Amino acid sequence: EPEVTQTPSHQVTQMGQEVILRCVPISNHLYFYWYRQILGQKVEFLVSFYNNEISEKSEIFDDQFSVERPDGSNFTLKIRSTKLEDSAMYFCASSGDRGPSSYEQYFGPGTRLTVT
Amino acid sequence: AQSVTQPDIHITVSEGASLELRCNYSYGATPYLFWYVQSPGQGLQLLLKYFSGDTLVQGIKGFEAEFKRSQSSFNLRKPSVHWSDAAEYFCAVALNNAGKSTFGDGTTLTVKP
Repeated sequence: EPEVTQTPSHQVTQMGQEVILRCVPISNHLYFYWYRQILGQKVEFLVSFYNNEISEKSEIFDDQFSVERPDGSNFTLKIRSTKLEDSAMYFCASSGDRGPSSYEQYFGPGTRLTVT
Repeated sequence: AQSVTQPDIHITVSEGASLELRCNYSYGATPYLFWYVQSPGQGLQLLLKYFSGDTLVQGIKGFEAEFKRSQSSFNLRKPSVHWSDAAEYFCAVALNNAGKSTFGDGTTLTVKP
């Protein structure tokens, strides 16, 4: 069964450093998402991406964050200058645009980001 | 804006007992509804989903959920809980096939032997 993959599984970085979290969505999907989950809290939406542009973003997704689909397979989340409060699990998700499963978002296993 | 409420932060049941986890949503129309399970340190696994049609949906691991429009609810049930079901359970809604999912706060399930 196709799946969303994310790398790395765990990233440790120092405050102020830039990090790039990588995701490979399911190959025929067209909608891409990033979510985060601070330890012990609920999953929060960050941003959705379609047709090479952001379609929706949350208040969390400020100027420190950016997303990119640099090629036909990867989808990245960049945090320019990490803060302690960026420490969280980051989930990538993708969905298709047609067919019975088009409404379902498939989630990756997550990248745990630790900012020290 | 859509919202999801999971009224129970923590539920404890005995192994073999039945389980019901509550989920209520706030939105004018019928959203797309999901239940996910998350084990500690792990990702999100989809248990089941509702888009339309039969309001009782079957999922994996013996779970089912019933959509009740009049109550704006989508409660998750299992007739007999196993120790391996201990985990965090999240209800989520989406407005359309391209929209974000909004998650509830989650319910932690503990299973007593």
